[in-house]
Amino acid sequence: GENVEQHPSTLSVQEGDSAVIKCTYSDSASNYFPWYKQELGKGPQLIIDIRSNVGEKKDQRIAVTLNKTAKHFSLHITETQPEDSAVYFCAASNPTGRRALTFGSGTRLQVQP
Amino acid sequence: NAGVTQTPKFQVLKTGQSMTLQCAQDMNHEYMSWYRQDPGMGLRLIHYSVGAGITDQGEVPNGYNVSRSTTEDFPLRLLSAAPSQTSVYFCASGIAGERDEQFFGPGTRLTVL
Repeated sequence: GENVEQHPSTLSVQEGDSAVIKCTYSDSASNYFPWYKQELGKGPQLIIDIRSNVGEKKDQRIAVTLNKTAKHFSLHITETQPEDSAVYFCAASNPTGRRALTFGSGTRLQVQP
Repeated sequence: NAGVTQTPKFQVLKTGQSMTLQCAQDMNHEYMSWYRQDPGMGLRLIHYSVGAGITDQGEVPNGYNVSRSTTEDFPLRLLSAAPSQTSVYFCASGIAGERDEQFFGPGTRLTVL
């Protein structure tokens, strides 16, 4: 089955700096890669996603890049703000199987004001 | 739309007790799933359903049952609770087919003593 590894587990940045979180996946058939943000006591919320036919996608301060050959994808947050502090999860999905999401173990991002 | 709702928010059980976690969605999504979240392990799939009357096992199904009699509801039953089932449980729904987005509920925090 799919295995998703996520690094780092914790990340602390100063307000205004950039943050990068990296994930690798094992199943070459996976073709959908979402990123979720989870605030304390809440369910994960989708913030951006990318499909395997696209190399990069951007939404304001958030961008995701995908390297299918190397089987890794990354989340980039620019101009970080204190409200970006949360736990971020990457995930991968194989549409021919269960269509379920396999999650990474999460990155706790802390933005210092 | 209320989105995905879960009840209860918190529950404490004694070992051996049974209970049902409720999940409902009002978005007419075909796909629904249950995940459990444990510290440092991301979210793991318990069971999923691609439509009314159809369910299947995920990564960690032992000790849990599900049924899907309607499109809207997808309850998760714990048959005989064990301390190892102490976790936060999330229900998610999405559209089966080309779109893979999944939307998560707020979670149920379960403690088994």
